[in-house]
Amino acid sequence: AQSVAQPEDQVNVAEGNPLTVKCTYSVSGNPYLFWYVQYPNRGLQFLLKYITGDNLVKGSYGFEAEFNKSQTSFHLKKPSALVSDSALYFCAVRDLNRDDKIIFGKGTRLHILP
Amino acid sequence: GAVVSQHPSWVICKSGTSVKIECRSLDFQATTMFWYRQFPKQSLMLMATSNEGSKATYEQGVEKDKFLINHASLTLSTLTVTSAHPEDSSFYICSATSGRGTGELFFGEGSRLTVL
Repeated sequence: AQSVAQPEDQVNVAEGNPLTVKCTYSVSGNPYLFWYVQYPNRGLQFLLKYITGDNLVKGSYGFEAEFNKSQTSFHLKKPSALVSDSALYFCAVRDLNRDDKIIFGKGTRLHILP
Repeated sequence: GAVVSQHPSWVICKSGTSVKIECRSLDFQATTMFWYRQFPKQSLMLMATSNEGSKATYEQGVEKDKFLINHASLTLSTLTVTSAHPEDSSFYICSATSGRGTGELFFGEGSRLTVL
């Protein structure tokens, strides 16, 4: 079965520093991976996705993610964090064998400290 | 990106009543919609998958008679929480996709249900 793991419940980063939010995946077949962000009492906003092609995927709000097949990872990164980046981040994988449903990791809360 | 509208954003109801939540795709036809439930500080739990014109597919452990899902058109899916109880209080989120494969899901803003 497809799954994603986010090993960190919370990540604290000082404003202006680079940030990384970790995600590892387990899939059979080609992985279709996503990152979403959720602000309090809001739905999820799409950040970026990896389907095929370049391992470094660029997304919204200056975020990017690096697909690493050998390490089965898809970490989310940003070179310089902003306080407004503080939110809940979800890594997800799309399971084409199960009605295309997206399976989410447990989420990582990102705190950017001013 | 595509827009998914969810209504209402907040609803408070008495125990025993039924509540309907609507999910609309505003600028695309959603062949498939998903309903999620999110508990405080937790991830999204998939409740069911609905395809236009057919019965919803429920995840294991989700009561289909309590959470009625209807996907009557390519732009509208509804979730009805029947005979609501306080333990049904939660944040419900819908999402929609226009097709299979590699596209992303578009999410509604969520509906917070509080059952008194």
